[in-house]
This record gives sequence, C-alpha cells and structure tokens, in this order.
Amino acid sequence: EDQVTQSPEALRLQEGESSSLNCSYTVSGLRGLFWYRQDPGKGPEFLFTLYSAGEEKEKERLKATLTKKESFLHITAPKPEDSATYLCAVQAGGGSNYKLTFGKGTLLTVNP
Amino acid sequence: DAGITQSPRHKVTETGTPVTLRCHQTENHRYMYWYRQDPGHGLRLIHYSYGVKDTDKGEVSDGYSVSRSKTEDFLLTLESATSSQTSVYFCAISDGMTQGAFFGQGTRLTVV
Repeated sequence: EDQVTQSPEALRLQEGESSSLNCSYTVSGLRGLFWYRQDPGKGPEFLFTLYSAGEEKEKERLKATLTKKESFLHITAPKPEDSATYLCAVQAGGGSNYKLTFGKGTLLTVNP
Repeated sequence: DAGITQSPRHKVTETGTPVTLRCHQTENHRYMYWYRQDPGHGLRLIHYSYGVKDTDKGEVSDGYSVSRSKTEDFLLTLESATSSQTSVYFCAISDGMTQGAFFGQGTRLTVV
C-alpha cells in the first residue's frame, strides 16, 4: 500500500525566514511525486511534478527536490502570500490508473 | 484554471436521503476522480473512472457509487447519506500523460 507522510504538520515562519517541508513516501514503483498548494476553501493547485531521484524543480520562492525515499519543498525568503497548506502526493506506476495518494499536508503560516 | 466545474458548491441534506454530486470537465481528459477531504485525514480517494462506463473503487468507497455515461461528466451518489459523510468533496481530472491531476473547487456537504 502506498503511503505518504508529511512533516511538520504546521509551520510558522517570519517573513524572509527560509525553511523546508518534508514528504516521506513508500510506493511500489514511483511514477511521479507531486506538490500542491491549497488555500482555504479552494481545491489543490498543482505546483510541481518530480519523476526521478536527483531531480529539482523551481518556481519563484519554491524549490522541490526528490530522493528515493523523500521529497523536500524548500521555501526561500517566504512572504505572507505563501501561507497555505502544502500537499504532497505520489503516483504509482503499472496499472494504477494514475491515482494519487496524498499526505495530510503541512499548514504554512508566514507572518509579516 | 483547468475546465472543471463541481455542482452544487454547498449542500445540506438530511440523514437517509440520497445525494448526487456532479463533476463536469471541458478538457476531454480520460481519468476522473472523486476525493473527500477531512481534518486529520487529508485527501482520500473514493472512486475513479478510467473511461466512459469504466469505474473502480478507491480506499473509502463504502456508501458511495459513481457513474460516467459521458467523457465530460462524473457523478458521485451517496445512496443514503450519513453524518460520517459530512465532508468536502473534490473532483479531479487527469490525461494520464503529463502531470498528476487538476482539481475542482470542491463541494461542501453537510449531513444533518
């Protein structure tokens, strides 16, 4: 059974204070690892896809990295508008029909 | 935003009544998914579809059924609503070729 564990559950940062969110996973044949951002009352918004260990993707103040067991979402010099819940999900290969298994998320709050 | 529309956006219903939620897409994607999101549990897959009239169960399918008679529409039915089905329901779509999935805005369902 595919499993995704995110830590910490919640994180408070001051504006400009860089940090990282962790996503540990077990999956039978990783097809892809995905990061989403979710704002209150809205659906998850796609951020990144990572396919193989060593891969990195960047978007503005966010950088996602992948190893064989975990992924990190690095947030550099965050701003209050980066406050949201960040979700990690894995997609297994083979006959999975591209289903995503999600972690419970990390609630990020950035104070001005 | 990807062309996904969920209806209704909010619904209050009584225990024991049937309820149908609708997901409509304009992207012609093959795969469609229904998730529920609850505090402490994250996003959990209820049912999914990999083509017209092709559906399968997810991890929390008890008490739910689905139908897909057209590519663009995926219906989720709660056959006899219970208070444990109070949740936020998200529909997602995927083309199975590129990235994970794109999500709708959600339906908040309250069963009283």
